[in-house]
Amino acid sequence: DTEVTQTPKHLVMGMTNKKSLKCEQHMGHRAMYWYKQKAKKPPELMFVYSYEKLSINESVPSRFSPECPNSSLLNLHLHALQPEDSALYLCASSQVDMGIRAKNIQYFGAGTRLSVL
Amino acid sequence: AQSVTQPDIHITVSEGASLELRCNYSYGATPYLFWYVQSPGQGLQLLLKYFSGDTLVQGIKGFEAEFKRSQSSFNLRKPSVHWSDAAEYFCAVGARTGNQFYFGTGTSLTVIP
Repeated sequence: DTEVTQTPKHLVMGMTNKKSLKCEQHMGHRAMYWYKQKAKKPPELMFVYSYEKLSINESVPSRFSPECPNSSLLNLHLHALQPEDSALYLCASSQVDMGIRAKNIQYFGAGTRLSVL
Repeated sequence: AQSVTQPDIHITVSEGASLELRCNYSYGATPYLFWYVQSPGQGLQLLLKYFSGDTLVQGIKGFEAEFKRSQSSFNLRKPSVHWSDAAEYFCAVGARTGNQFYFGTGTSLTVIP
């Protein structure tokens, strides 16, 4: 099973709303990722969690708040977003790097299509 | 600095024709190399990967890719394209240490009947 499940599939929110995106995997992966993708562009890395600890934050605005409550779950809390934050938000997971023997294949979910009005 | 270049933003091929999508990378050592495909509104699906060994790798859906170290390339090929192959294709480089991925800008494939 190489499935990463993201919910909801679509989300429409106003600029004053608070919402959360959820990502789940049961592959035993201990690295999980949030990406933002605009139309016709490659995914842009936002956050990386390794062993449930935030290891990379790519200078993402504080209106995006990630959370990794356990090894299978990754959340992205959204608050006071701007219309330019409308995008496809992708979650991915992989094994944690173990040095040169690591083969870090990232498995992606189908994404959450977010529209900020 | 690491980078991935996909020179072709958009390619149009006829159904049944052969396909080659180009990917060049810049990396300090031999990286891990990947091709992903993304259908409209969907996530990324792994087509194939190269870690080491045989430089011609086979993937799903009839795709293959060849790693050429001398050219820093990892081009994706398919001998006969199907209409369902129309999608966005991303080449990616994975660091041999650490979890970082570097994506190319993508190539959009249109298949005409």
